[in-house]
Amino acid sequence: QVQLQESGPGLVKPSETLSLTCSVSGGAISGYYWVWIRQPPGKGLEWIGYIFYSGNTSYNPSLKSRVSLLLDTSKNQFSLKMSSVTAADTAVYFCARLTSSWDAFDIWGQGTMVTVSS
Amino acid sequence: QSALTQPPSVSGSPGQSVTISCTGTSNDVGSYDRVSWYQQSPGTAPKVIIYEVNNRPPGVPDRFFGSKSGNMASLTISGLQAEDEAVYYCGSYTVRSTYVFGGGTRVTVL
Repeated sequence: QVQLQESGPGLVKPSETLSLTCSVSGGAISGYYWVWIRQPPGKGLEWIGYIFYSGNTSYNPSLKSRVSLLLDTSKNQFSLKMSSVTAADTAVYFCARLTSSWDAFDIWGQGTMVTVSS
Repeated sequence: QSALTQPPSVSGSPGQSVTISCTGTSNDVGSYDRVSWYQQSPGTAPKVIIYEVNNRPPGVPDRFFGSKSGNMASLTISGLQAEDEAVYYCGSYTVRSTYVFGGGTRVTVL
């Protein structure tokens, strides 16, 4: 059974770069789209972007200038980098799998809280 | 891209039915049958309960029913149960090859 686990710093200073990694276990990265979604405290879900196993990416237009997604097939991991963070980027960050057969996010990590504060 | 529009909350008594609307535009909900619904309980990750407008993943009760007309999708929960209390989000693929979520609807079982 495929499982996802986010990892990375829980605290990031304003103007710095947020870096998170999602480790995929129980299955291969190939053949799927891999996604980051975030949820500010008490608020709704925001789609950040996806990366296909081939390396193709798509980003939320509102975040595109600050976000990049990378894939490391040798480690079965994918990562998120978000630059120039502010307090508005404080959120729980989820990694998830987008399956084209359902066109839905079918597997999610448990989420990791990232706070932007000095 | 703008978030899809959902009512903030709906409520119903056990056994009743509730319907949650999800209004988008011709750039997302109206363009594709690629609407999904997610159920999120406090402190947990969302779980997909409907995909491609009206399909249920294995294990999701048939009390959950999805539909779509034009730019609006809907989720109906029939035979409401206490365990259905959660926040529900719709999501849709867009013409820009991106995804967008609704703001979420809290379902309360009275």
